[in-house]
Amino acid sequence: EAQVTQNPRYLITVTGKKLTVTCSQNMNHEYMSWYRQDPGLGLRQIYYSMNVEVTDKGDVPEGYKVSRKEKRNFPLILESPSPNQTSLYFCASSPIPRQGRGYTFGSGTRLTVV
Amino acid sequence: LAKTTQPISMDSYEGQEVNITCSHNNIATNDYITWYQQFPSQGPRFIIQGYKTKVTNEVASLFIPADRKSSTLSLPRVSLSDTAVYYCLVAAGAGSYQLTFGKGTKLSVIP
Repeated sequence: EAQVTQNPRYLITVTGKKLTVTCSQNMNHEYMSWYRQDPGLGLRQIYYSMNVEVTDKGDVPEGYKVSRKEKRNFPLILESPSPNQTSLYFCASSPIPRQGRGYTFGSGTRLTVV
Repeated sequence: LAKTTQPISMDSYEGQEVNITCSHNNIATNDYITWYQQFPSQGPRFIIQGYKTKVTNEVASLFIPADRKSSTLSLPRVSLSDTAVYYCLVAAGAGSYQLTFGKGTKLSVIP
C-alpha cells in the first residue's frame, strides 16, 4: 500500500530533550515536507526537500532540523524542544515538486513538550 | 510571496451547493491551485487541482477566473460527511518549491 508512515503517533517529552520524528514514504516521491498544525493557524510548512541532500526552510523552521540522506526518509529533529513546539505534525510527500498535486500525508504525530 | 486567504468558516444545510473562495493575488504564472480536505486528526487529502477556467471531477468543481487571482471550490449537494476543513494550496512564489496552505475554511454542514 502506498503510504507515508510517521512515528511515533503520540509523544510527550520534557523541555530540552532531543527528539526525532521519523517519516518514510514507499512511493519513490521526490518531494517531501513537514508541516505543523495549530488551532487557528492552519498548516504551516516547517521544512521541505526537493530530493536527496536538497532541503530548504518553510514558513516556520526555527527550532527544527531535517535531513534527506535517502529518498524515502525525511526525519524531523528537535534538538532542544520547547513548550511552544507542542503541536500536531504532519509529514507529506509528492511526486511533483511545486505543484502540490498528489500530496500524500502521514497520519500525524501529536507532540507535547512539558 | 504568494499567500492565500480564505473565509474562516461557513455553514450550509444538507443538499445545498457550497462555494468556497480562495484569494491568491500573487500566484506565479506557471503555478496550479490545489484544494485539500481535512477531517479532525487526519492528514489533508487531495480534492481537485486546476490552472485556469473550470475543472470538474466526481466530488467537486474548481472555477478559476482569467486573472487567476482567486479560485472557487464548489461542492454540489453537500452532506454531513462533507463537514471538514478545506484548504487551497499554491506555491510560495515563482520558482519556489515552498507550498503554502492557507488557514483553511471550516465547513459545517447542518442537517
